[in-house]
Amino acid sequence: DTAVSQTPKYLVTQMGNDKSIKCEQNLGHDTMYWYKQDSKKFLKIMFSYNNKELIINETVPNRFSPKSPDKAHLNLHINSLELGDSAVYFCASSPHSGTGDNEQFFGPGTRLTVL
Amino acid sequence: RKEVEQDPGPFNVPEGATVAFNCTYSNSASQSFFWYRQDCRKEPKLLMSVYSSGNEDGRFTAQLNRASQYISLLIRDSKLSDSATYLCVVIRAGGGNKLTFGTGTQLKVEL
Repeated sequence: DTAVSQTPKYLVTQMGNDKSIKCEQNLGHDTMYWYKQDSKKFLKIMFSYNNKELIINETVPNRFSPKSPDKAHLNLHINSLELGDSAVYFCASSPHSGTGDNEQFFGPGTRLTVL
Repeated sequence: RKEVEQDPGPFNVPEGATVAFNCTYSNSASQSFFWYRQDCRKEPKLLMSVYSSGNEDGRFTAQLNRASQYISLLIRDSKLSDSATYLCVVIRAGGGNKLTFGTGTQLKVEL
């Protein structure tokens, strides 16, 4: 059983398009996250939701809009894609939003290539 | 300056060697520390948490020096399967569960 799943695994698209990435977790966790790993392999948090409520919103262009229809799902919609958006996007979840015994489990990643 | 700094490597070591990675963090308010492992083209996975008193998990030993803002990971008796990128991760006090990653140190264990 996949704990944190993402679709699609690969996404190749043209500049200017709008695309969405979906994430689902079946761990019963309250908190979900989106991370971006750039070409230099640097992983940086973008957003976090706790029970469908946005709790972390890093400095991310507003072309990126997360949506959490329920606590098991956190989708990422990207408008007007740019070349610099090419990266691997990882979804993650954790039991809660606090610290202490709160491991984050990552999905397999979505490799986005913008041409 | 990045908040979490690591030597990117690669560290190329023979099987059976002992290898150590270091990591420094700049924010003295950091309160939780971890090592994650990321295999090529895979997701990061938690390797171990790092506690002030130091902790060991089989061949892996993690140490924390709060005064110097320094974290280390020691791998003994390296296996081929240890080849991966090791990510130093911190959480700031009051930062919720927001993980701040270092750029990672690449390890290649060779025959």
